[in-house]
Amino acid sequence: AQKVTQAQTEISVVEKEDVTLDCVYETRDTTYYLFWYKQPPSGELVFLIRRNSFDEQNEISGRYSWNFQKSTSSFNFTITASQVVDSAVYFCALSEADRDDKIIFGKGTRLHILP
Amino acid sequence: DAGVIQSPRHEVTEMGQEVTLRCKPISGHDYLFWYRQTMMRGLELLIYFNNNVPIDDSGMPEDRFSAKMPNASFSTLKIQPSEPRDSAVYFCASSSQETQYFGPGTRLLVL
Repeated sequence: AQKVTQAQTEISVVEKEDVTLDCVYETRDTTYYLFWYKQPPSGELVFLIRRNSFDEQNEISGRYSWNFQKSTSSFNFTITASQVVDSAVYFCALSEADRDDKIIFGKGTRLHILP
Repeated sequence: DAGVIQSPRHEVTEMGQEVTLRCKPISGHDYLFWYRQTMMRGLELLIYFNNNVPIDDSGMPEDRFSAKMPNASFSTLKIQPSEPRDSAVYFCASSSQETQYFGPGTRLLVL
């Protein structure tokens, strides 16, 4: 069965600190996709990144970076030098190949960046 | 592309009334998903379509909910009759090649 666990329900950090959001997944498939979405206070769900199971290279996009480790079934998300605008709920998600693009979402981590 | 478009953005209605939520997916996307988000239950998948055909509606809470996709560019989610416990944010998402893109959501309040 597929499952996504975001153990951190809520995190608060002071602006400019680095913060890592944890994501652990379970799947029996060898081909799958991992995602992160951001939901700011305005409410929309914004796609951030997709990773396929065959690509374990870490990715960096500006202040955002993602660490994918198959050995620990984790896909963690780090924000460097956090800013108040990063305050949001962040969802990790999993999709298995040949499952009609269905995504299983984690319960989300609410991130507060304090000025 | 304008992204996924949903209307209305906000809806306030009284218990017992019919509510229709609308969604226009991104052109060329072959999957369309309807979700509901509440504080208590988080993000729930209600139903999804592939090439306008409903594939899995097991997430639809009860018979009061129905969804249609008459063509590739339009879908509706209807609640009849509405109840206060239906109050939530309803998202539509479309996808192609595994990545879902979400609309801005419809915030529904049933009084």
